[in-house]
Amino acid sequence: AQSVTQLDSQVPVFEEAPVELRCNYSSSVSVYLFWYVQYPNQGLQLLLKYLSGSTLVKGINGFEAEFNKSQTSFHLRKPSVHISDTAEYFCAVIPRAGGTSYGKLTFGQGTILTVHP
Amino acid sequence: DAGVIQSPRHEVTEMGQEVTLRCKPISGHNSLFWYRQTMMRGLELLIYFNNNVPIDDSGMPEDRFSAKMPNASFSTLKIQPSEPRDSAVYFCASSFSGSLTGETQYFGPGTRLLVL
Repeated sequence: AQSVTQLDSQVPVFEEAPVELRCNYSSSVSVYLFWYVQYPNQGLQLLLKYLSGSTLVKGINGFEAEFNKSQTSFHLRKPSVHISDTAEYFCAVIPRAGGTSYGKLTFGQGTILTVHP
Repeated sequence: DAGVIQSPRHEVTEMGQEVTLRCKPISGHNSLFWYRQTMMRGLELLIYFNNNVPIDDSGMPEDRFSAKMPNASFSTLKIQPSEPRDSAVYFCASSFSGSLTGETQYFGPGTRLLVL
């Protein structure tokens, strides 16, 4: 089984400041990793994903995440946030075998990012 | 592509009534997922289908909940009878399972259900 822990339930920051949203996971098998974003009153939207290769993954809206296998972490970062980045962010994992995934996504509890002017 | 389509977007009903939520996945996707989101419990997977077959329904709360996928382009989630504690946002998502690019799930806009 897999589990995902998002270490901060809420992160308030000022506009143009850098931000890091932390995610740790636990799994007995290899996984793919994802970050989703949910804007108010909307569904979840894929921000970025790690499948293989370079451990630094770049996503939409200037976000990036780094996979650290030894620390089983997949922290999300942005060097300079905007008011429009205010949303809830979800880290998720899915087990994989070889080059394909199987089973279901396991989500973290979410981190609410609030960007203040 | 229109993305995942859910209807209705909002539903207000009275306790004891039957509620049916509908989902049209992205064309060509072979996996479909129903989630429920509440403040207290976060995002919960209720059930998922692969090639129209239910694979895991362990998240379905109780017998009042049922889900069907009669064909590759349509699924329903039914609650009968509904209770106030069923009030939540219900999301449908779809993906192409077995893809070498990883199983990205695409979410619909959700149905906001309020049971009075």
